[in-house]
Amino acid sequence: GESVGLHLPTLSVQEGDNSIINCAYSNSASDYFIWYKQESGKGPQFIIDIRSNMDKRQGQRVTVLLNKTVKHLSLQIAATQPGDSAVYFCAETSDNAGNMLTFGGGTRLMVKP
Amino acid sequence: GAVVSQHPSRVICKSGTSVKIECRSLDFQATTMFWYRQFPKQSLMLMATSNEGSKATYEQGVEKDKFLINHASLTLSTLTVTSAHPEDSSFYICSASLGYTEAFFGQGTRLTVV
Repeated sequence: GESVGLHLPTLSVQEGDNSIINCAYSNSASDYFIWYKQESGKGPQFIIDIRSNMDKRQGQRVTVLLNKTVKHLSLQIAATQPGDSAVYFCAETSDNAGNMLTFGGGTRLMVKP
Repeated sequence: GAVVSQHPSRVICKSGTSVKIECRSLDFQATTMFWYRQFPKQSLMLMATSNEGSKATYEQGVEKDKFLINHASLTLSTLTVTSAHPEDSSFYICSASLGYTEAFFGQGTRLTVV
């Protein structure tokens, strides 16, 4: 069936560097995408979202890029900090999905001091 | 932002007993709540969609008699794991939506069945 997946299960970066986490999705009908951060033993926290009528959206230290042509989503974290260490999930939904999210496999970001 | 509270955060139960997990939207009304299950180092897998005042919709492969869902009010959904067994040990997470897209998650419940 339709799925959302990630290329890299683990990403290790040096503190202060920029991080890029990637996500591929397969449902061409998806029109809303979200990145979540999940720390150990906690529920997912909303980071940033983007709608399919956009290709880039910026937040505080984070940027999400959407390439609908190749069904690819990325999360960029600027000046990565130790507190950014977590598992990051992309999720997608579509207009007719009734708020139902489909999650990608997750990428663990490890920030080295 | 909106707050979703999940309780308990951790529970240990004996095999064969039942466990109830509560999910509350504290400052908004949620007509729809979702229950997820997460195994270690894996993504969230949707178990069921909980609709206020009606029966829950279960995903394929999820036993509805095993995982009882009740959404009696616009702010509370409960998941009861009946006759729990060690293989039911997992991290259970609920979410509630304000509108079409925004989803807020509970803190999760770590269930350990011994």
